[in-house]
Amino acid sequence: GAVVSQHPSRVICKSGTSVKIECRSLDFQATTMFWYRQFPKQSLMLMATSNEGSKATYEQGVEKDKFLINHASLTLSTLTVTSAHPEDSSFYICSAAGTGGFGYGYTFGSGTRLTVV
Amino acid sequence: DAKTTQPPSMDCAEGRAANLPCNHSTISGNEYVYWYRQIHSQGPQYIIHGLKNNETNEMASLIITEDRKSSTLILPHATLRDTAVYYCIVRVDQGGKLIFGQGTELSVKP
Repeated sequence: GAVVSQHPSRVICKSGTSVKIECRSLDFQATTMFWYRQFPKQSLMLMATSNEGSKATYEQGVEKDKFLINHASLTLSTLTVTSAHPEDSSFYICSAAGTGGFGYGYTFGSGTRLTVV
Repeated sequence: DAKTTQPPSMDCAEGRAANLPCNHSTISGNEYVYWYRQIHSQGPQYIIHGLKNNETNEMASLIITEDRKSSTLILPHATLRDTAVYYCIVRVDQGGKLIFGQGTELSVKP
């Protein structure tokens, strides 16, 4: 089945630094990827949608200059949290949709636990 | 905003069927009902989806009412590993964003 690999699984960084999270589709071409954020005891909140080769579309209230998304190839999308602060600590999850491989649902990565200290 | 309503929590005895309800009274004609689940600290996992007919796969069954305003996910023989948050989502089949509501936290107890 379709597999999405997300790396790293957890990261701790100092306040003010930037962190990059990678999301790779391993056995299919991901034409569209979605990035979510999830705070403890809450549901997933969609942050942005990215299509390969295009600029990402951000949901209302999500700062595009803080959460940089790159989707330069059909198998890789990255989310960079710039100048991270403790309030950015959260569980970040990517999801991929593509052609072939599956015709139903989207495949999710296993998530990245970001802690900013 | 999510277009579905689910009870916040449910309990189920191990080995029994778990029936998780979902209301989607404003569903459009071209929108499917999708179910995902999220086990603690993992990414969501696809379970099943349907348009208007009942569906069954190796994981679960999906019963959609004739007016399509509600549905029920059935786990026929719940195990402890089925303890998770279950999300009911409606969206068009091809493309489109998955918007998660609050889901139902299912606890399967021995």
